Amino acid sequence: QQPVQSPQAVILREGEDAVINCSSSKALYSVHWYRQKHGEAPVFLMILLKGGEQKGHDKISASFNEKKQQSSLYLTASQLSYSGTYFCGTEMNSNSGYALNFGKGTSLLVTP
Amino acid sequence: GAVVSQHPSRVICKSGTSVKIECRSLDFQATTMFWYRQFPKQSLMLMATSNEGSKATYEQGVEKDKFLINHASLTLSTLTVTSAHPEDSSFYICSAWGGEYYGYTFGSGTRLTVV
Repeated sequence: QQPVQSPQAVILREGEDAVINCSSSKALYSVHWYRQKHGEAPVFLMILLKGGEQKGHDKISASFNEKKQQSSLYLTASQLSYSGTYFCGTEMNSNSGYALNFGKGTSLLVTP
Repeated sequence: GAVVSQHPSRVICKSGTSVKIECRSLDFQATTMFWYRQFPKQSLMLMATSNEGSKATYEQGVEKDKFLINHASLTLSTLTVTSAHPEDSSFYICSAWGGEYYGYTFGSGTRLTVV
C-alpha cells in the first residue's frame, strides 16, 4: 500500500519552515525519508523505527507517532539547498529484504 | 560506506534492441537488490526484487521476460531491458539495504531513452 503524502507541493522563502506528512492506514514497521533532486537518485535522510520516535540532524528532523501510522518531516530555517522532492518510504514488515513503498512525493521549492 | 554504483547513467537505444544496466554494491554485500522505475514527476515504483543465487521476484504488471534480472554475485545485479520500445523510456534506479545508518542506498540511476 502506497503511503499518502501531503502537501503535494510547497513554496517557501529562504529561512521559513515546512512540514511534510506521511500516513498509512495500517501500522508500519518503519518510515524512511528521502530527498531527490531533478535527474538524480534519492538521498537518504533518516529512518524511524519506533513509535513516538523523534530524530534529526541540523535543521531537518522527523517524528513517528505512537501508533506508527503517521510520520512528519520538519524542515526549519530552510535553505536553498533544501529544494527538491521529498519522498517517504514505508516498510510493512521487519525483513530488510522487503522493498520500500514510496509515497507520491512532496515538491519543495525554496526561493531567495 | 554503503555505496551503490550504477552504470550507465544515460543510454539511448533503438527500438527493438536490448540494454543492460549494472548495479554494484561497492563496500558491502547485498544479497537482495531492488529495481525501481520512475517516470517524470512521479514516484519510484518497484519493478522487481533481485535475489543473489535465485530468481528475481517481479511486481504485478512487470513482464519478467522483458525485464531480465540476474544477481550472480553478492555485489552485482543486472537489469536487461529486452526488445526495448519507446514506452520503456524511463529512469531506472537500483537500491540495496546499507544498514540502519545509511538506509536503503540508491544507485545514481540510468536514464533510458528508446528511439
